[in-house]
Amino acid sequence: GAVVSQHPSRVICKSGTSVKIECRSLDFQATTMFWYRQFPKQSLMLMATSNEGSKATYEQGVEKDKFLINHASLTLSTLTVTSAHPEDSSFYICSASDTDTQYFGPGTRLTVL
Amino acid sequence: AQKITQTQPGMFVQEKEAVTLDCTYDTSDPSYGLFWYKQPSSGEMIFLIYQGSYDQQNATEGRYSLNFQKARKSANLVISASQLGDSAMYFCAMREAFAGGTSYGKLTFGQGTILTVHP
Repeated sequence: GAVVSQHPSRVICKSGTSVKIECRSLDFQATTMFWYRQFPKQSLMLMATSNEGSKATYEQGVEKDKFLINHASLTLSTLTVTSAHPEDSSFYICSASDTDTQYFGPGTRLTVL
Repeated sequence: AQKITQTQPGMFVQEKEAVTLDCTYDTSDPSYGLFWYKQPSSGEMIFLIYQGSYDQQNATEGRYSLNFQKARKSANLVISASQLGDSAMYFCAMREAFAGGTSYGKLTFGQGTILTVHP
């Protein structure tokens, strides 16, 4: 199956700093990538849909100025958590679609102190 | 309204036995896809099986099969011959309109079921 990588896998940062998470499709081109957030033992919540070359579409309740998404190429999307606060601590997962199936990255665990 | 419902927060099964994880869905879109993913404690989401709404046959992938009952809007996952490594969280998900729709093929997930396989 297709491979999606995510970097970093784990990050700890101080409150007020910004954190960038990268999502790459390694062996296919993905015109669409998705960013999810997951709290412990809960379901995945879609944050935004990222399309190459255009602005991301954010789900209701997600602050677009807080969670900046850039889809610069067909294999790379980035999520930047700006001015992170402890409540932003979560597991962030990206996925990339090659038409029928979404393939997920391994996730990034963000801890904001 | 909840589009994907998994009513079993936790399930237990004995090793080598079969187990069924329930999933019901709600949509008015005639074209949709149903997915099952496995999420072990490491957090990665592992794709297991896919069923299209127009598929006549139930999907099967190795020890995984999807019991698709369209009229009942259910898409239960059956795992045969359970193994200790099957212990994980399992998510059912639905994708509605893709091309031309506003959803861009996004997935809606159920609440998940934690499966524990006992030796």
